[in-house]
Amino acid sequence: AQTVTQSQPEMSVQEAETVTLSCTYDTSESDYYLFWYKQPPSRQMILVIRQEAYKQQNATENRFSVNFQKAAKSFSLKISDSQLGDAAMYFCAYRSTDSNYQLIWGAGTKLIIKP
Amino acid sequence: NAGVTQTPKFQVLKTGQSMTLQCAQDMNHEYMSWYRQDPGMGLRLIHYSVGAGITDQGEVPNGYNVSRSTTEDFPLRLLSAAPSQTSVYFCASSYWGGYYGYTFGSGTRLTVV
Repeated sequence: AQTVTQSQPEMSVQEAETVTLSCTYDTSESDYYLFWYKQPPSRQMILVIRQEAYKQQNATENRFSVNFQKAAKSFSLKISDSQLGDAAMYFCAYRSTDSNYQLIWGAGTKLIIKP
Repeated sequence: NAGVTQTPKFQVLKTGQSMTLQCAQDMNHEYMSWYRQDPGMGLRLIHYSVGAGITDQGEVPNGYNVSRSTTEDFPLRLLSAAPSQTSVYFCASSYWGGYYGYTFGSGTRLTVV
C-alpha cells in the first residue's frame, strides 16, 4: 500500500522569503500523480499544484513550484516570495492508479508566515 | 458556478442518532467521494462513486452508507452515530480519473456526544 509522509509538522518563514515543504512517498507503481493542497483556516481544501510522475519536468504555478525526485520518491513544495495569505496547512497527496482513484494523504505541514 | 456544495457546515449529534450529510456538484463530474479528516492525520476515504448507481467502499466505510441516484448528488448517511465519528467530513468530485485534481466542498464539522 502507498504511504505519504510529511516530516515537518510546522514550518515558519519570514514574509517575502522562500520556504520548502517536504513530502516523501512510498509506492511500487511507476505511473501516478502527486498533488499539493492548501487548507486555510476557512477549512476549504484548495489545489495548489499537481505533478504527473511520467513527466520529468517539475511543475510550477506562479510562486509555487515542486522539486520532484522520482527515484528518491520525494515531492517537495517551494513557495517563493511568501505572503501572509499563504499561511495554512499544506497537504501532500498521492493519487493511486487503482480503481477507486483514492488520494493517499500526508499528515500535513502547518505553515506560519511572520510579518 | 457553485462547484461542490456541502450541507450542513456544522452538526452536533447524540450517540445513536442518524443523519445525512448532503453533497451536490454542478460540474458534471463522474467521480464523487467522501473523506474524513481527523487531527494529525491526512484525509481518509470513506466511500466513492464513479457514476450514478455505482458506489463502493473506501478505507474506512464502517458506520456509513452512500447512494448515488443522480450525477449531481452523493449523500453520506451515518446510520447510528458514535463518538469515534466525530470528525470533519469532505466531499470531493472530479472528472473521470481525477488526473487534474479533485474539487472539494467546504466540509462539515460533526461532533457526536
